[in-house]
Amino acid sequence: SQKIEQNSEALNIQEGKTATLTCNYTNYSPAYLQWYRQDPGRGPVFLLLIRENEKEKRKERLKVTFDTTLKQSLFHITASQPADSATYLCAPDDKIIFGKGTRLHILP
Amino acid sequence: DAGVIQSPRHEVTEMGQEVTLRCKPISGHDYLFWYRQTMMRGLELLIYFNNNVPIDDSGMPEDRFSAKMPNASFSTLKIQPSEPRDSAVYFCASSWPEGGQFFGPGTRLTVL
Repeated sequence: SQKIEQNSEALNIQEGKTATLTCNYTNYSPAYLQWYRQDPGRGPVFLLLIRENEKEKRKERLKVTFDTTLKQSLFHITASQPADSATYLCAPDDKIIFGKGTRLHILP
Repeated sequence: DAGVIQSPRHEVTEMGQEVTLRCKPISGHDYLFWYRQTMMRGLELLIYFNNNVPIDDSGMPEDRFSAKMPNASFSTLKIQPSEPRDSAVYFCASSWPEGGQFFGPGTRLTVL
C-alpha cells in the first residue's frame, strides 16, 4: 500500500543552524510533492510544491529537493529561527495522503 | 479573499445527534477537500470534490458520514448519528488543479 514516512516525530535544532526534514514514500510515483506548515490549533499552510522534473526549489530560507530514484524529498530551513518551530507535513501529489509530520523545535 | 471559511469553529454534541459542518472554499478553486485530524491517525482525507462532483469518497469512515457540494461556494459534511470516536478536528481545504491546498481554520468536534 502507499506509504509516507517523515523522518522523526520531533526534531530539535539550535537557532541559526539548518534544519533538515525528510519525507520518504513507497509504492508511489508522485508527479509532484508538497510541503506544509502547521501551528497548534490551526490548519496546515502550504509552503512549497516541487515537481518530479525539478531537482530543487527555493523560497526565501526554505529549500526543497525531490529525488525520484530514492523516493525521497528533503526540506531545509536555513538560518533557523524560533518562529520556525511548528509541525511540517509532506504530501505527495495533491490530494491523497499526508505524512504524520515532523515537530520541529528551534532552540534559542 | 477571506480564505476558506468553516463553521462552526467548535461543536460539542451528544452521542446520537446529527452534526453538520460547513465550508466555503476560496472563489475560483476547482477542488474541495474534507479532512479529519487526530493525534493518533494524523491528517486523513475523507472526500474530495472537483467542480462540485465527488471524486473519491473512499476515506469516509462509514455510512454515518455524508458530504455534499450543491454549488461552487458551499459544502457540508454531515455525521448522523455521531459517536464519541468521531471526535476530531475537521478541516476543509480548496485548491486549483496541481496547486497547493488552502486550509480552513477547522472545526473541533467533541462528541460526548
